[in-house]
Amino acid sequence: EVQLVESGGGLVQPGGSLRLSCAASGFTFDNYWMNWVRQAPGKGLEWVANIKEDGSEKYYVDSVKGRFTISRDNAENSLYLQMNSLTVEDTAVYYCVRGLWGRSVGFEYWGQGTLVTVSS
Amino acid sequence: QSALTQPASVSGSPGQSITISCTGTSSDVGDYNYVSWYQQHPGKAPKLMIYDVSNRPSGVSNRFSGSKSGNTASLTISGLQAEDEADYYCNSYTSSRTRVFGTGTKVTVL
Repeated sequence: EVQLVESGGGLVQPGGSLRLSCAASGFTFDNYWMNWVRQAPGKGLEWVANIKEDGSEKYYVDSVKGRFTISRDNAENSLYLQMNSLTVEDTAVYYCVRGLWGRSVGFEYWGQGTLVTVSS
Repeated sequence: QSALTQPASVSGSPGQSITISCTGTSSDVGDYNYVSWYQQHPGKAPKLMIYDVSNRPSGVSNRFSGSKSGNTASLTISGLQAEDEADYYCNSYTSSRTRVFGTGTKVTVL
């Protein structure tokens, strides 16, 4: 059974930093692109970033470029999101999401999410 | 990276068919057959319903179907059921190799 378990969310002040983690199990982790998707309270979904199977390619939504860094540790079956210079607009539930196999594109498995609240 | 455009709400009676549109540009929906659709019930994580425009993952009801014409993709739900009441989001691959979601559509079963 595929499982994605996020951790690291919490309350942080504007300008602060937070590191999210995602523990993956039930599949061969280094065979898949991995993503972070967020959802602000009462709002829609926003794709944040993704990373290739071997970590050699990373892409970000414009609003987080230069502030967020996605990374992975294939030996530990883990995905990370380092978030710096946080603003109130970054307040959201952050989901760890696995891509589809091969050349198909989509978000197949989702974690339950971890809430990040940026507030003074 | 503007969000794809979806109608805010769509409604239908049980047994009817409804269609949700998802309009992008020639830099995303129009140029790639990489549109996917997600269903989200309140308080739950989204669920993949359609990928690569028209493919259904294993376990998803065949009442759900996807298509695309030009810069607009569509999700059709046939034989509408009470359990289909949820929020629906489209997503597309983009020319910047990023992904973009739609604005979301609330489906109400009357």
